Amino acid sequence: GDSVTQMEGPVTLSEEAFLTINCTYTATGYPSLFWYVQYPGEGLQLLLKATKADDKGSNKGFEATYRKETTSFHLEKGSVQVSDSAVYFCALSETNAGGTSYGKLTFGQGTILTVHP
Amino acid sequence: DVKVTQSSRYLVKRTGEKVFLECVQDMDHENMFWYRQDPGLGLRLIYFSYDVKMKEKGDIPEGYSVSREKKERFSLILESASTNQTSMYLCASSPPGGTEAFFGQGTRLTVV
Repeated sequence: GDSVTQMEGPVTLSEEAFLTINCTYTATGYPSLFWYVQYPGEGLQLLLKATKADDKGSNKGFEATYRKETTSFHLEKGSVQVSDSAVYFCALSETNAGGTSYGKLTFGQGTILTVHP
Repeated sequence: DVKVTQSSRYLVKRTGEKVFLECVQDMDHENMFWYRQDPGLGLRLIYFSYDVKMKEKGDIPEGYSVSREKKERFSLILESASTNQTSMYLCASSPPGGTEAFFGQGTRLTVV
């Protein structure tokens, strides 16, 4: 079945440092790819998404590019802030044989990011 | 503003109790989901529903059941709670095509 693998955490950075969180996937079809963020005590929020190969998703200074050739969707940010401290989840949505997605997500294990002043 | 609301933020139940977790969405979404979140394991799908009275097993359905009598409400039922069901439970909904899932705040369940 489909699967998502994220880099092991936790990740600790100083403010204004460069962030990369690696994500690779295995899928039989042509999934959409997502990054979700979970701030302390809250549910998950969509951070960005990409629906086809070579698409770049971006939001709040974060970016990720859908790379079909390397089956990757790495999250990057040029300068992190303390407020970016959260858990980040990479996910893919499956499609059935007819190409329909029900929004069923397969998640990576999550990466805890802590940013210090 | 779109909203998925879970009935409780925290619950403590005893082993063997029947437990109901309720989820309501106000976006008229067809698809609804229950996930379980555990450290180091990410989120794992328990059950989902793509229409009223329809349900499909996810990756870890054992020990759980669900009910969807109305489009806006999706309930997760622990028939006989056990300590290994202590976890964070997250409900989500998505529109047809599933381009984005919207999550509730989560229910942290402790079974003692």
